[in-house]
Amino acid sequence: NAGVMQNPRHLVRRRGQEARLRCSPMKGHSHVYWYRQLPEEGLKFMVYLQKENIIDESGMPKERFSAEFPKEGPSILRIQQVVRGDSAAYFCASSVRFNTGELFFGEGSRLTVL
Amino acid sequence: KQEVTQIPAALSVPEGENLVLNCSFTDSAIYNLQWFRQDPGKGLTSLLLIQSSQREQTSGRLNASLDKSSGRSTLYIAASQPGDSATYLCAGQETSGSRLTFGEGTQLTVNP
Repeated sequence: NAGVMQNPRHLVRRRGQEARLRCSPMKGHSHVYWYRQLPEEGLKFMVYLQKENIIDESGMPKERFSAEFPKEGPSILRIQQVVRGDSAAYFCASSVRFNTGELFFGEGSRLTVL
Repeated sequence: KQEVTQIPAALSVPEGENLVLNCSFTDSAIYNLQWFRQDPGKGLTSLLLIQSSQREQTSGRLNASLDKSSGRSTLYIAASQPGDSATYLCAGQETSGSRLTFGEGTQLTVNP
């Protein structure tokens, strides 16, 4: 059973470009969470999704950031018009059930904005 | 708003020593608590999960406990090894929310 798969592992973008980060949860997991880790800082919650639904997006910046988890395919975190401050490691986690299950994390996608 | 504090921020010990990492929450209403390990440039590896009805969990040389009344958790590492060197993170899952709230981590170095 493969773990949480994230790609790309490393992504370089110039200011103003778009970044798309993908996350495939563990098999059988229907809950996906995205976290951001800025350099020298802790992990901050961004968004929690189930298939085709955003459950909690209270940690998402109001502009330029969006997330989806379609019925088929991976979850996508999209950052439009990237700025240098978006440079960070973005981690995805999945679990079987909300609030009762253990979270398993992927290796992260490291975004560098030039 | 839940805040998590981990003490110490960094710890350096000689190989073989037993050690304790501390984690405290401003809101003691913790439903689940997880301890993770993060190696430099890597993702998070789940070490131990303490569910709502439990008070502690053990895995090998690791033991984690949770005191909900005080909002504190400890991770005990026995007979530390250089391979234990990493950042250790605790995270609480709130009763009424969905997110894990993380502490800033304890950076552990075990010297041979």
